[in-house]
Amino acid sequence: QQQVKQSPQSLIVQKGGISIINCAYENTAFDYFPWYQQFPGKGPALLIAIRPDVSEKKEGRFTISFNKSAKQFSLHIMDSQPGDSATYFCAASKGSGNTGKLIFGQGTTLQVKP
Amino acid sequence: DAMVIQNPRYQVTQFGKPVTLSCSQTLNHNVMYWYQQKSSQAPKLLFHYYDKDFNNEADTPDNFQSRRPNTSFCFLDIRSPGLGDAAMYLCATSRDRGQGYTFGSGTRLTVV
Repeated sequence: QQQVKQSPQSLIVQKGGISIINCAYENTAFDYFPWYQQFPGKGPALLIAIRPDVSEKKEGRFTISFNKSAKQFSLHIMDSQPGDSATYFCAASKGSGNTGKLIFGQGTTLQVKP
Repeated sequence: DAMVIQNPRYQVTQFGKPVTLSCSQTLNHNVMYWYQQKSSQAPKLLFHYYDKDFNNEADTPDNFQSRRPNTSFCFLDIRSPGLGDAAMYLCATSRDRGQGYTFGSGTRLTVV
C-alpha cells in the first residue's frame, strides 16, 4: 500500500517533443505528490508538486496531470530540451500525522536527443 | 542562500572502519532526513528527526545511526561499513513531515 509505481524506466525523446512519465499509487491517504529531477552526482531537486484537490498544475514547460479516481498522476514535459536529460522521480506522502515521509517511485531516466 | 550542505562530497573508507557523514541546514526546518541511494535506484529513507524526536525505519540496519545535536546539524554514523553500504547518502530537510523537501547534493561513499 505504500508503493508508488513509476513508468517507463527509461525514455528517449527528440528535442522539441513531449516527455510523459506516469506514476500510480495505492494509498488513498496520500495528499502530496511531487516530482523531483536529479542530475548525475547531485541530489534530487523539487520540480513541481500537486495536491489531490486539483487535476492539473502547470509551471512553465512542466505539467502534472492528476487523476484521483484512478490513483494516477503524470509529468508532461513540453518542448523537451537536451538540458532536461536527467532522472525523474515521482513521490507521494501523507502530510499530516507522524508518518509524513516521501515514498519515491523507481525513477525514469530521460534522454532528450538534439 | 538558504540551503542544505553535505560534507564531504566524496568519502572513501575502509571496510569495517567507522565513518561519519555530516549535514547542515540554514533553512531552520524542523525535520531532517537521511536517505541512501544506490546506483539507478530510488532514494531509500533510513531515518528522520522531527526536532529531537528520532524516527528509525523498520528495515534500517543497526549499523546505521544518527545524531542531531541542534536544529542545524545532523550526522549519519556508519559503525562498520560493508561493501554493500557503498552508495550516495542524501540529507534532506522539510519544515514539516512529508512535504517541501530540500535535498543536499549528497555524499558518495566508497568502501574499500
